[in-house]
Amino acid sequence: DIQMTQSPSTLSASVGDRVTITCRASQSISSWLAWYQQKPGKAPKLLIYKASSLESGVPSRFSGSGSGTEFTLTISSLQPDDFATYYCQQYNSYSRITFGPGTKVDIK
Amino acid sequence: QLQLQESGPGLVKPSETLSLTCTVSGGSISSSSYYWGWIRQPPGKGLEWIGSIYYSGSTYYNPSLKSRVTISVDTSKNQFSLKLSSVTAADTAVYYCASQWELTFDYWGQGTLVTVSS
Repeated sequence: DIQMTQSPSTLSASVGDRVTITCRASQSISSWLAWYQQKPGKAPKLLIYKASSLESGVPSRFSGSGSGTEFTLTISSLQPDDFATYYCQQYNSYSRITFGPGTKVDIK
Repeated sequence: QLQLQESGPGLVKPSETLSLTCTVSGGSISSSSYYWGWIRQPPGKGLEWIGSIYYSGSTYYNPSLKSRVTISVDTSKNQFSLKLSSVTAADTAVYYCASQWELTFDYWGQGTLVTVSS
């Protein structure tokens, strides 16, 4: 099984800050990685797919990078609407899709 | 734009079978572009993929749940369904259905909480 880790688990930041979240896979997944944002009581929302492709309608302050085993999600200037939990998801094969444990971004 | 809605009992007894249905609107479940998936989230915890189905009936499941999971599709009703057998308290979670494009989940239902308790 491919294991996913995320760091940090919690991140305290202020509006306007540049925020970076890291996701690591236990083995290479090429660029088969997605990022989701989830707010309390709501379903996750797809932000990034194929490691760096921005989903339609997602603000350009969100960006993704990486390949192989290490990936990052960057928010260039944190906005009030961005305080949420972020999950990475690997999809290297149809038979095993796994999510990272999540990173909570809260107000500093 | 696709819309998905989960439905089913919110309370299931231990050892029984959890059954949920996802109704798709705004598009056809027979679209060749999509798989259709189930994901769950225990209270206060992370996301776990359960399994997915194509309109033809082709399925693939999380190996850790495979022995208890059945996902089916009804193209005439634009619905797909989840059955999880022999449930325990560990299966208490919010269950989401979602459309799956190139293995990412792009449209999600609002989720439904299923509690396993006697």
